[in-house]
Amino acid sequence: AQKITQTQPGMFVQEKEAVTLDCTYDTSDPSYGLFWYKQPSSGEMIFLIYQGSYDQQNATEGRYSLNFQKARKSANLVISASQLGDSAMYFCAMRGLYNFNKFYFGSGTKLNVKP
Amino acid sequence: ETGVTQTPRHLVMGMTNKKSLKCEQHLGHNAMYWYKQSAKKPLELMFVYNFKEQTENNSVPSRFSPECPNSSHLFLHLHTLQPEDSALYLCASSATPGGAADTQYFGPGTRLTVL
Repeated sequence: AQKITQTQPGMFVQEKEAVTLDCTYDTSDPSYGLFWYKQPSSGEMIFLIYQGSYDQQNATEGRYSLNFQKARKSANLVISASQLGDSAMYFCAMRGLYNFNKFYFGSGTKLNVKP
Repeated sequence: ETGVTQTPRHLVMGMTNKKSLKCEQHLGHNAMYWYKQSAKKPLELMFVYNFKEQTENNSVPSRFSPECPNSSHLFLHLHTLQPEDSALYLCASSATPGGAADTQYFGPGTRLTVL
């Protein structure tokens, strides 16, 4: 069975500092993709970053990077130089090779950036 | 227009009403999804369509009826809903399924209130 776990319901970070949002996963698929989404209060889910299970390097997209540790089954999102606009819900998601119809989402982490 | 659009953005309906939610994607994708997001609950996958064919129905009550006339349009027909169906309904699309790397792109959502 596929499962995504986000253990931090809420987090605070000071503006301009870095923050790490935790995500662990469980899957039996030999190949899978890991995704992070941002959901502001407006509701739209915004795709941030993708990591493939066979990618040798950690993914980076601007201020976002993914700390992928395959043996530990973790895919933590690192946001550098936090901005007030980063305040939102963040969801980790996974898609497996065999059941590609389904994206499995975690319960989310609410990030608050303090000025 | 670009990306994934949803209309209406907000909908209030009585339990005896019939209404429809519309989703349109301009990304050339062939897979489309309906999700339900209730307050303080994880995202729930409702339906998946691949090349206009329904490939996933996640035990959704029959008062929700999806329709996918082509790969660009997806509807969710609503009738005799219950107050507990009040939620944010999100539509998403992804490229031709078959790979773990396909990213889902979401619309802005329809915030539904059932009175």
